[in-house]
Amino acid sequence: DGGITQSPKYLFRKEGQNVTLSCEQNLNHDAMYWYRQDPGQGLRLIYYSQIVNDFQKGDIAEGYSVSREKKESFPLTVTSAQKNPTAFYLCASRHMNRALNTEAFFGQGTRLTVV
Amino acid sequence: GQQLNQSPQSMFIQEGEDVSMNCTSSSIFNTWLWYKQDPGEGPVLLIALYKAGELTSNGRLTAQFGITRKDSFLNISASIPSDVGIYFCAGQRAGAGSYQLTFGKGTKLSVIP
Repeated sequence: DGGITQSPKYLFRKEGQNVTLSCEQNLNHDAMYWYRQDPGQGLRLIYYSQIVNDFQKGDIAEGYSVSREKKESFPLTVTSAQKNPTAFYLCASRHMNRALNTEAFFGQGTRLTVV
Repeated sequence: GQQLNQSPQSMFIQEGEDVSMNCTSSSIFNTWLWYKQDPGEGPVLLIALYKAGELTSNGRLTAQFGITRKDSFLNISASIPSDVGIYFCAGQRAGAGSYQLTFGKGTKLSVIP
């Protein structure tokens, strides 16, 4: 089945550690996105990528890094520079072709907790 | 970054009642999307709107793309307990190269049996 998969579902990190969240899609979507969700804050864009080997900072990129070496994959690294990393992280993907519907589809999310 | 103004923030309704929520923006959008999120899960797409004035239904859900292209609403008729969750609107602004989606802060719906 086609879809977008995030792993792990739950992740615990010690302070000072880097952690990487996985996002894989087999929908042949061009664009992929990472959002952070905190209670009452809605979705805030961290990074996005419209094409392989290219990505752009979103509204809250500080303390995060990404790569887009393959079309299907867009991993997010939460670095030790992110001062408040505990949150629910959502990955999304969508087509970029104007001739196609461009709805964004989301993964199931990763809940990161700093211990 | 810009956020859409989504209202109400939360609502408590009796099972069987109809629900209405809306999003407004100062910018023009060429796409409006409505999502529902259950606790601990990713948002699931409910309805997509692509034309100003478009009215689209999905079962008990109906959404409209405002004719000014700056607003959209979502109606849920005859609510049931499984309608509980957070509903988000999202819009894509008109303009070349703008492929980012802007999200509202969500409407938390509680249904009283």
